[in-house]
Amino acid sequence: QVQLQESGPGLVQPSETLALTCTVSGGSISSHYWTWIRQPPGKGLEWIGYIHNSGSTTYNPSLMSRLIISVDTSKQFSLKLSFVTAADTAVYYCAKLVTPPVGTNYYMDVWGKGTTVTVSS
Amino acid sequence: SYELTQPPSVSVSPGQTASIPCSGDKLGLRYACWYQQKPGQSPVLVIYQDNKRPSGIPERFSGSNSGNTATLTISGTQAMDEADYYCQAWNSSTAHVVFGGGTKLTVL
Repeated sequence: QVQLQESGPGLVQPSETLALTCTVSGGSISSHYWTWIRQPPGKGLEWIGYIHNSGSTTYNPSLMSRLIISVDTSKQFSLKLSFVTAADTAVYYCAKLVTPPVGTNYYMDVWGKGTTVTVSS
Repeated sequence: SYELTQPPSVSVSPGQTASIPCSGDKLGLRYACWYQQKPGQSPVLVIYQDNKRPSGIPERFSGSNSGNTATLTISGTQAMDEADYYCQAWNSSTAHVVFGGGTKLTVL
């Protein structure tokens, strides 16, 4: 059973870079897609982007200019969001994205517990 | 961009049936899925591929998708079902994940 755990600093200074890591246990990154989602306080879920173990990425257009998602090892992938502001304060989740051979049946079947990131000086 | 719309809140009495709609342009031509999120917890997949339940999800959870609306139905709603529910679909033209805004289900 795959499990995910997010890690990273809980406090980031405005205009700095937010860096988070997701560690995969009970499986490997190989042959899967992995995604980041965030949830600002009291608000809904926002898709950030996803990556395939091959390194190919797709990003939310609203974040694309500041975002890098990468695979670090066979067990970890990461998110870097630059020039953060208070609007980037949120709980950040990593999740495994299930992708069908054909069609549009895409969904997240495993989620991490989330990590809270606050942007403040 | 593709958008999914959910009502902010739905109320239901214990033991009754709750229906949570999710609307989007020609949503019935795509697959929809649903997540349950309780306070302080991460989302949990409760329905995928319109109407399939992952292992461990109670049978009282069901889904449908036709026309412009996908619906999550909870039969015999229990107090433990009180949570936020999010629909999600795939925008095949952009290869983006799309979430609805979420619906708070209150059981009272």
